[in-house]
Amino acid sequence: GEDVEQSLFLSVREGDSSVINCTYTDSSSTYLYWYKQEPGAGLQLLTYIFSNMDMKQDQRLTVLLNKKDKHLSLRIADTQTGDSAIYFCAEAGTALIFGKGTTLSVSS
Amino acid sequence: EAQVTQNPRYLITVTGKKLTVTCSQNMNHEYMSWYRQDPGLGLRQIYYSMNVEVTDKGDVPEGYKVSRKEKRNFPLILESPSPNQTSLYFCASGGTRLTEAFFGQGTRLTVV
Repeated sequence: GEDVEQSLFLSVREGDSSVINCTYTDSSSTYLYWYKQEPGAGLQLLTYIFSNMDMKQDQRLTVLLNKKDKHLSLRIADTQTGDSAIYFCAEAGTALIFGKGTTLSVSS
Repeated sequence: EAQVTQNPRYLITVTGKKLTVTCSQNMNHEYMSWYRQDPGLGLRQIYYSMNVEVTDKGDVPEGYKVSRKEKRNFPLILESPSPNQTSLYFCASGGTRLTEAFFGQGTRLTVV
């Protein structure tokens, strides 16, 4: 069945780059997403990548997709304390399936 | 403004008392879904709907019902809530190809 896996925690210092990794299993997924959830809030779509792309860059965010290994990563350049949140990877096949989320902690 | 609206935002109820959490979207999306979020378990899908009158079970459908009588609404029904259904619930909607999924603000349900 479909399953999306992420590491649960990541801790970085302010100004460093953060890399959050994700693996998925459904090779028919057409889109892969990164969502951000701040404490007490709903999910906010950060970015997404179509399955025929290798990379997408959007300001401080870079998404890399390795379709052969079913591996997706989100890089946040110049990480700020405001980036502290839970980040969810999700794949869209017939339904939207989420990973368990990676808690990013940014220290100053 | 494009949005997904859930109501109520917070609810405390007693075991066995039927309740409904409403979800409405104004984007004419075909796809709608309910998730529950629990610490350490992430988001788990309860039910989803690809269009009107079409619903399918997600990963954790037990104890829940849904209906999709019209495109904009997708209520979540707990016929006989139990304490293990205490959770944070999210409704989401998206286009047919799920190019983007929009989420509601969440409903925090406590069953005592």
